[in-house]
Amino acid sequence: DAGVIQSPRHEVTEMGQEVTLRCKPISGHNSLFWYRQTMMRGLELLIYFNNNVPIDDSGMPEDRFSAKMPNASFSTLKIQPSEPRDSAVYFCASTLAGGGYNEQFFGPGTRLTVL
Amino acid sequence: AQSVTQLGSHVSVSEGALVLLRCNYSSSVPPYLFWYVQYPNQGLQLLLKYTSAATLVKGINGFEAEFKKSETSFHLTKPSAHMSDAAEYFCAVSDLGGSNYKLTFGKGTLLTVNP
Repeated sequence: DAGVIQSPRHEVTEMGQEVTLRCKPISGHNSLFWYRQTMMRGLELLIYFNNNVPIDDSGMPEDRFSAKMPNASFSTLKIQPSEPRDSAVYFCASTLAGGGYNEQFFGPGTRLTVL
Repeated sequence: AQSVTQLGSHVSVSEGALVLLRCNYSSSVPPYLFWYVQYPNQGLQLLLKYTSAATLVKGINGFEAEFKKSETSFHLTKPSAHMSDAAEYFCAVSDLGGSNYKLTFGKGTLLTVNP
């Protein structure tokens, strides 16, 4: 099993540019989570999907952030326009939800730097 | 609402010494509890989980944790620290049997192991 795959691993961009982060969950998993990790705020849940449907996006910081899951094997997190305060490590995680709780499996993360 | 408090943002031990990382939780329903480990520049990896079976849970790399309902605690221990245990550790809580598959994470505890 390849695990959760995220791309790119590192992204450096300038303020005002659009940034798109990508995630491929583990095959067969039906729930996907986007997290942001910073020194100041720790690990924050941004949004999660169940069966490709967004269930809770209350953690999305503002309208500049959007996430999609067009199919069970792909999700994107987009920031437009990006700002320096968006600099963080963004993690994607997936799980097979239902019938008892299963642990979330995390990807390696995308380190975003906005100059 | 659920919450997790990790006491001590930084713990330092000598190689071979006992490791004790503290976690207290708050939940209105019986919880699932997790410990995750994050090595530098990597995603989070599950160490162990409590899902209402045995209160003493054994995980990978010699770690274990005990669920104590009366103390609302789920502390992580390892009898003898190894240099390779140096990492950041996160405690997390989720509703037992709920349809909400979110995890609420603590702020993390950075473990340093001195030779």
